[in-house]
Amino acid sequence: EVQLVESGGVVVQPGGSLRLSCAASGFTFDDYTMHWVRQAPGKGLEWVSLISWDGGSTYYADSVKGRFTISRDNSKNSLYLQMNSLRTEDTALYYCAKDIGEQQLVLDYWGQGTLVTVSS
Amino acid sequence: EIVLTQSPGTLSLSPGERATLSCRASQSVSSSYLAWYQQKPGQAPRLLIYGASSRATGIPDRFSGSGSGTDFTLTISRLEPEDFAVYYCQQYGSSPPSTFGQGTKVEIK
Repeated sequence: EVQLVESGGVVVQPGGSLRLSCAASGFTFDDYTMHWVRQAPGKGLEWVSLISWDGGSTYYADSVKGRFTISRDNSKNSLYLQMNSLRTEDTALYYCAKDIGEQQLVLDYWGQGTLVTVSS
Repeated sequence: EIVLTQSPGTLSLSPGERATLSCRASQSVSSSYLAWYQQKPGQAPRLLIYGASSRATGIPDRFSGSGSGTDFTLTISRLEPEDFAVYYCQQYGSSPPSTFGQGTKVEIK
């Protein structure tokens, strides 16, 4: 059974930094592109970032480019999102999601999310 | 960036009725790279349809997707109680970034 478990969400002040983690199990982690998608409270979904199976390719939404960095450790079956220069508009539930393949951008499994609140 | 506009914002229907949800793109979505997701309160989204019309694993055949270019439709042939939820379309034809529509809520009338 595929499982994705996010962690690291907390309350942080504007301008602060945070690192989210996602622990994956139940599939061959290094065969798949992985994603972060976020959802502000009461709002819709926003794709944030992806990383290819080997970490060689990364892409970001314009809203986070230059502030967020996605990475992965295939030896630990883990995905990460380093978030710097946080803004109040970054407040959201952050989901880790598995791609159906290599950069197909179709997301077939999602975690339950970790909540990031940016507030002074 | 391709902008997706979903309509209606809310659809009020009874169990057993047919639901038709629309997703319109601001420019053509290449190769019908359009997916649909279902999200229930307090849950993560679930993949329903990809490639505009291919059902994901385990999705009942009452869910169907159609369309091409800029106009796409998700149809639920007969609503079951568990189908009342929010539905999002997603385009991935422009290669990263991907974008989602704002969602359509299907509620019990």
